[in-house]
Amino acid sequence: GESVGLHLPTLSVQEGDNSIINCAYSNSASDYFIWYKQESGKGPQFIIDIRSNMDKRQGQRVTVLLNKTVKHLSLQIAATQPGDSAVYFCAENPGGATNKLIFGTGTLLAVQP
Amino acid sequence: NAGVMQNPRHLVRRRGQEARLRCSPMKGHSHVYWYRQLPEEGLKFMVYLQKENIIDESGMPKERFSAEFPKEGPSILRIQQVVRGDSAAYFCASSRVTGELFFGEGSRLTVL
Repeated sequence: GESVGLHLPTLSVQEGDNSIINCAYSNSASDYFIWYKQESGKGPQFIIDIRSNMDKRQGQRVTVLLNKTVKHLSLQIAATQPGDSAVYFCAENPGGATNKLIFGTGTLLAVQP
Repeated sequence: NAGVMQNPRHLVRRRGQEARLRCSPMKGHSHVYWYRQLPEEGLKFMVYLQKENIIDESGMPKERFSAEFPKEGPSILRIQQVVRGDSAAYFCASSRVTGELFFGEGSRLTVL
């Protein structure tokens, strides 16, 4: 039969603007969170992480904010570039000494030159 | 230092055939994870292995799927009697005992 595809949430920004990608996580026991970037046809690439004892962490052009009260995570990309175009996933680690991650559904970032 | 190596990158199988996907972890990594990604979805955990041991296979279907990580050689994800619903990208990732998870480029399985 015919299948209906899912459509990723899409964020379209102009080159040079700042981007904010949001994510709601599911497990209040999660103590470690990661943002991944996935380009078409490639594997997820680590961007930045944050532990639950922090509410903000900065990297090069990226900042992750964690709000445990509402179980919300955001990724801010400063001065977005065409090379930032990709699908971005948040992932949570529900705890324990493993890398058994729970991934969100992803957001497609489209950067317009 | 080579990253996580997966092969084949693309695999086409007919319904009922077997698919074998291979993963060589990064040098120095003893922990291997397999994740599955359906089109336009996030990755879903399947199985976590250490050398010669399956640690957690809670995300793996009970039938037709198996995984191993032998003492020598790559980790293998094996899917027997494939069906169309098995079509997906299968990603392997590796890590040290603790720390960052590194993903391979994935193996894309298409079942005709």
